[in-house]
Amino acid sequence: SAVISQKPSRDICQRGTSLTIQCQVDSQVTMMFWYRQQPGQSLTLIATANQGSEATYESGFVIDKFPISRPNLTFSTLTVSNMSPEDSSIYLCSVVQWNEQFFGPGTRLTVL
Amino acid sequence: GQQLNQSPQSMFIQEGEDVSMNCTSSSIFNTWLWYKQDPGEGPVLLIALYKAGELTSNGRLTAQFGITRKDSFLNISASIPSDVGIYFCAASDNNDMRFGAGTRLTVKP
Repeated sequence: SAVISQKPSRDICQRGTSLTIQCQVDSQVTMMFWYRQQPGQSLTLIATANQGSEATYESGFVIDKFPISRPNLTFSTLTVSNMSPEDSSIYLCSVVQWNEQFFGPGTRLTVL
Repeated sequence: GQQLNQSPQSMFIQEGEDVSMNCTSSSIFNTWLWYKQDPGEGPVLLIALYKAGELTSNGRLTAQFGITRKDSFLNISASIPSDVGIYFCAASDNNDMRFGAGTRLTVKP
């Protein structure tokens, strides 16, 4: 299975600031995704990170709030911009490999 | 997108008991997957199912892909304390992945 790492693993941030989360995969993958998991909830897809083009965002998520980079087939970043306490959540990177979807360990974000 | 209907929402069982949880959908999917999430970790894939009617085992875990392609169940036999966690079902069709709300399992020693 794909091995996925995320940095940072957790952070506590002040309202109004931005945080960039990094996702690194140990092999080249075509499809990379970013999910949000609010406390006690299931996973919600934020966007699909496309290599060489803009990310594709799900309803309710916009590029200005969650800019995404995908410079190559093994790396992506998600930025949570102008944070508010409502952005406190776990952010998960995910990839599809051999028709199976794998998740990173997540980044636990707390916004004060 | 529409979430899958996963039940039960939570379970409290005694060590050694068997566990069963299931997911249903109003839509047909090509792939059903089951994940387990430990506290502070990302979901880990347990079992993937690709064919209607398929029954797959992974140790004490058994999962089935429903004949109608609209449901799946996961069984855990002889539960142990480390089975504690949240179990999510997921289903996909043409790269559209949906998730259940999760089943929170507590195992009492």
